[in-house]
Amino acid sequence: ELKVEQNPLFLSMQEGKNYTIYCNYSTTSDRLYWYRQDPGKSLESLFVLLSNGAVKQEGRLMASLDTKARLSTLHITAAVHDLSATYFCAVVDRDGGATNKLIFGTGTLLAVQP
Amino acid sequence: DAGVIQSPRHEVTEMGQEVTLRCKPISGHDYLFWYRQTMMRGLELLIYFNNNVPIDDSGMPEDRFSAKMPNASFSTLKIQPSEPRDSAVYFCASSLGRQGEQYFGPGTRLTVT
Repeated sequence: ELKVEQNPLFLSMQEGKNYTIYCNYSTTSDRLYWYRQDPGKSLESLFVLLSNGAVKQEGRLMASLDTKARLSTLHITAAVHDLSATYFCAVVDRDGGATNKLIFGTGTLLAVQP
Repeated sequence: DAGVIQSPRHEVTEMGQEVTLRCKPISGHDYLFWYRQTMMRGLELLIYFNNNVPIDDSGMPEDRFSAKMPNASFSTLKIQPSEPRDSAVYFCASSLGRQGEQYFGPGTRLTVT
């Protein structure tokens, strides 16, 4: 059974600082997503990572994937208040090839303080 | 495209009542997913469909929950009878193809008193 662990659960940052959110998963997968969720809102897709060594960047966010270590990171550079949200990683569970299920991490609540 | 549409956006009901949540996927998408989000359990997949056929319902909590997809543009998630522990936000998502990215609807916030 695929399990996805995310840490930290809560992250309070000062504006201008850098930090990293980690996502570990337990079994092989060919696809990993990062989502953002604002309070009371739906999930917004940020990145999809498909292969070992994949790196994607959008603004102050950069995501990477190491399939051998089963680890993805979401790096925040020079945080600003607008980045405050909950960030989820989600891994596709192929479960032998037939499924298209997303297994979500616990989420990281990011609060950027002035 | 309007994206995934869910209704109602908010539902408050009393324990024991039947609740029906509705979802219209993005036109042309052939996969539809129902998720539940709670503080205690996070985001959980309840069931998903491919071409209107249920593929995996292993996440459905118990027999009180049922889901249907009578056609490519409509799905329902029904809870009968509802219980306070069913209070959660229910999301519907759709995707195109097995490799497709899932697009989430706005969610239905269900409160069972």
